[in-house]
Amino acid sequence: QQQVKQSPQSLIVQKGGISIINCAYENTAFDYFPWYQQFPGKGPALLIAIRPDVSEKKEGRFTISFNKSAKQFSLHIMDSQPGDSATYFCAASKRDSNYQLIWGAGTKLIIKP
Amino acid sequence: NAGVTQTPKFQVLKTGQSMTLQCAQDMNHEYMSWYRQDPGMGLRLIHYSVGAGITDQGEVPNGYNVSRSTTEDFPLRLLSAAPSQTSVYFCASKNGGAAANEQFFGPGTRLTVL
Repeated sequence: QQQVKQSPQSLIVQKGGISIINCAYENTAFDYFPWYQQFPGKGPALLIAIRPDVSEKKEGRFTISFNKSAKQFSLHIMDSQPGDSATYFCAASKRDSNYQLIWGAGTKLIIKP
Repeated sequence: NAGVTQTPKFQVLKTGQSMTLQCAQDMNHEYMSWYRQDPGMGLRLIHYSVGAGITDQGEVPNGYNVSRSTTEDFPLRLLSAAPSQTSVYFCASKNGGAAANEQFFGPGTRLTVL
């Protein structure tokens, strides 16, 4: 049962462009939504996270947009750079499961110079 | 701080062999977990622990055992390796036990079962 659906599977963006990755969830009890970034041969690392009480969170060039009614959230990378090329995972979790993460399938992002 | 360390980095097993993947963290984190990562499937939780002496099953526990005798160490045992267990295994830890805190990941162990 896939509780977090992520799209697209892969994405190619020109340097300086905007990268957008989308996720949808099913369980309305989820109340913590992080994005993780993974470079080849490395473990994932937290990039940015949001709670459902806000609609947007921005950290530098990275922004999460959250739509509670649609049960969707997205990652926007502004002014995308070749160093942003990585695999991005969205996830969701809730209090009564110790905030164990339910992961999306991942998006491989390639930024072309 | 070394963070989360995993050994070995690579391992090849034959079907039926057993082995232990090691994981250690030096951040005094209560919560530790093991994931497997397969192409197109994200990360799936195998087992987790909310503190020393406490372990529980995740989404895909069959064929794996864990123990947590200390806060620092959380080894994952493959009892009788099968080709379906070919994967990349990640150990992670977070502070606060049941809190929504950042998970820190190790560098992974790439396991191939022939």
